Amino acid sequence: RKEVEQDPGPFNVPEGATVAFNCTYSNSASQSFFWYRQDCRKEPKLLMSVYSSGNEDGRFTAQLNRASQYISLLIRDSKLSDSATYLCVVSVPLVFGKGTRLSVIA
Amino acid sequence: EPEVTQTPSHQVTQMGQEVILRCVPISNHLYFYWYRQILGQKVEFLVSFYNNEISEKSEIFDDQFSVERPDGSNFTLKIRSTKLEDSAMYFCASRGTVSSGANVLTFGAGSRLTVL
Repeated sequence: RKEVEQDPGPFNVPEGATVAFNCTYSNSASQSFFWYRQDCRKEPKLLMSVYSSGNEDGRFTAQLNRASQYISLLIRDSKLSDSATYLCVVSVPLVFGKGTRLSVIA
Repeated sequence: EPEVTQTPSHQVTQMGQEVILRCVPISNHLYFYWYRQILGQKVEFLVSFYNNEISEKSEIFDDQFSVERPDGSNFTLKIRSTKLEDSAMYFCASRGTVSSGANVLTFGAGSRLTVL
């Protein structure tokens, strides 16, 4: 099974900061891309799908670069509640990256 | 909001024992999955199931694992003879058809398996 690579972090940022996560995937045939969020000892929950043209959902912006096989997630105006592990996920069945841990500090 | 339900939430078993983890997927979903996450590691795909048969499985899903949909609602994962390294959180997930939400999976809260 092809891999998904992420910077594991942790990223420690103050409230209100902008933070960006990157992810690369090795399977060029991948068709579907997602960011999931996982809180400690909980199940992964969908944060947002990632579309070729890029997409935004409130404070969250996702980008996809198929040529470079690269996905990004930008979080603006970080809140304490954003503290979690962010999982880059590719295709179906889903292949998960190991996740990037974010801690937002007051 | 519809949810995927898993039982038990935590099971402790002795090495060599059989374990059955149960899942009730979202009622109109057609595709079912099992994933596992060893503590501190990434979520790993085990198996996918559609139309009453396995559609894909990973190298982790060896002969000691099996899945079944014994009735219209339950989806089970059986581990025949547990090993210490089977200790992990096991997540069930389901999804509908492409028209009902693309490839988005909904996960259950997980069953934590501890093998002693």
